[in-house]
Amino acid sequence: DAKTTQPNSMESNEEEPVHLPCNHSTISGTDYIHWYRQLPSQGPEYVIHGLTSNVNNRMASLAIAEDRKSSTLILHRATLRDAAVYYCISIQGAQKLVFGQGTRLTINP
Amino acid sequence: DTAVSQTPKYLVTQMGNDKSIKCEQNLGHDTMYWYKQDSKKFLKIMFSYNNKELIINETVPNRFSPKSPDKAHLNLHINSLELGDSAVYFCASSQLSGYTGELFFGEGSRLTVL
Repeated sequence: DAKTTQPNSMESNEEEPVHLPCNHSTISGTDYIHWYRQLPSQGPEYVIHGLTSNVNNRMASLAIAEDRKSSTLILHRATLRDAAVYYCISIQGAQKLVFGQGTRLTINP
Repeated sequence: DTAVSQTPKYLVTQMGNDKSIKCEQNLGHDTMYWYKQDSKKFLKIMFSYNNKELIINETVPNRFSPKSPDKAHLNLHINSLELGDSAVYFCASSQLSGYTGELFFGEGSRLTVL
């Protein structure tokens, strides 16, 4: 499984966009890139995943670099409820998600 | 309707005791998992079952014994509890066939061993 690297923490303001970076320089051609988040005292929650093309869903957008060695999770308009730990994971299939340290996102009112 | 439900949510017990955590999913998924989150907040996979068959066992001590009576249930039994077993245990499920990349997690069961 490709190792992912994320900043330990980030801070943003409410109603502003947030760009959460992730490096996965050892990713193989068939590894998907997943993002999960964990709100305080809750289980992890799926956010988005992709392989090569950029992806959008109701929660966020995922921008994948052309060489696939990095990706960025974009929250278009952060709310206080988006404060969580965000995990970037690279894996083949869903059998074994390996969570790293993640990025703790703080949203200021 | 809770998709992945775990019971109990909190469990406080003494060292040496045996305890179980139950997990049920009503999503019709074919694969279920147990994850452990320790005090440093690292999430580590412990087990994975696909259609009641064990497919992942991440070198977990054999004091931990998962049991899957059917596709919708994956229970975790822990014998001879130790202080280091204190953690939050998360159950999750997914559908491997027709892979969508999404795991659904329960709310967690916080185990405290005294």
